[in-house]
Amino acid sequence: EVQLVESGGGSVQPGRSLRLACEASGFTFNDYAMNWVRQVPGKGLEWVASITWNSGRKGYADSVKGRFTISRDNAKNSLYLQMNSLRPDDMAVYYCAKSLYHDILTGHDAFDFWGQGTMVTVSS
Amino acid sequence: DLQLTQSPSFLSASVGDRVTITCRASHGIYSYLAWYRQKPGKVPELLIYGASTLQSGVPSRFSGSGSGTDFTLTISSLQPEDFATYYCQHLNSYPVTFGGGTKVEIK
Repeated sequence: EVQLVESGGGSVQPGRSLRLACEASGFTFNDYAMNWVRQVPGKGLEWVASITWNSGRKGYADSVKGRFTISRDNAKNSLYLQMNSLRPDDMAVYYCAKSLYHDILTGHDAFDFWGQGTMVTVSS
Repeated sequence: DLQLTQSPSFLSASVGDRVTITCRASHGIYSYLAWYRQKPGKVPELLIYGASTLQSGVPSRFSGSGSGTDFTLTISSLQPEDFATYYCQHLNSYPVTFGGGTKVEIK
């Protein structure tokens, strides 16, 4: 059974940093691209970042480019999101999601498994 | 950046109704489109990828069609568990985007 468990969320002041983690199990982690998606409670989904199976290519939403960094450790079956210079509009539930393929831009990819999410609150 | 426009934003329907949701891309994305259902308080579930391929385990009442800029998700006979919000998503290029969502409510 595929499981994705996020951690690292919490409450932080504007301008500070947080590091989210996603621990994966139930599949061969290093075969698949991985992704972060966020959602303000009651609002729509917003893609945040993606990383290929071997970390060779990363993509970011314009809203987080230059502030957030996605990374993975295939030896630890873990995905990370380093979030710096946090702003109030970064406040959301952050989901870790597995891709169907090793690179989301190879064709008919999609996100087939999602974690339960971790809440990030940014407030002074 | 590519924009995805879903319509309608809200729709009211009854159990057993046939429902169609559309997603229009601001420029062509071949068939690189996915559809998700998000039930209240739950995480999104993948329904369709590649515009028309049904994800394993998803009921056959769901179908997708389209290519280029215009796509549709059809639910042939709405079930109680289908009252939810539906999102389209393109994976044609970075940045990936989601549509604004379509909330399907009980009439």
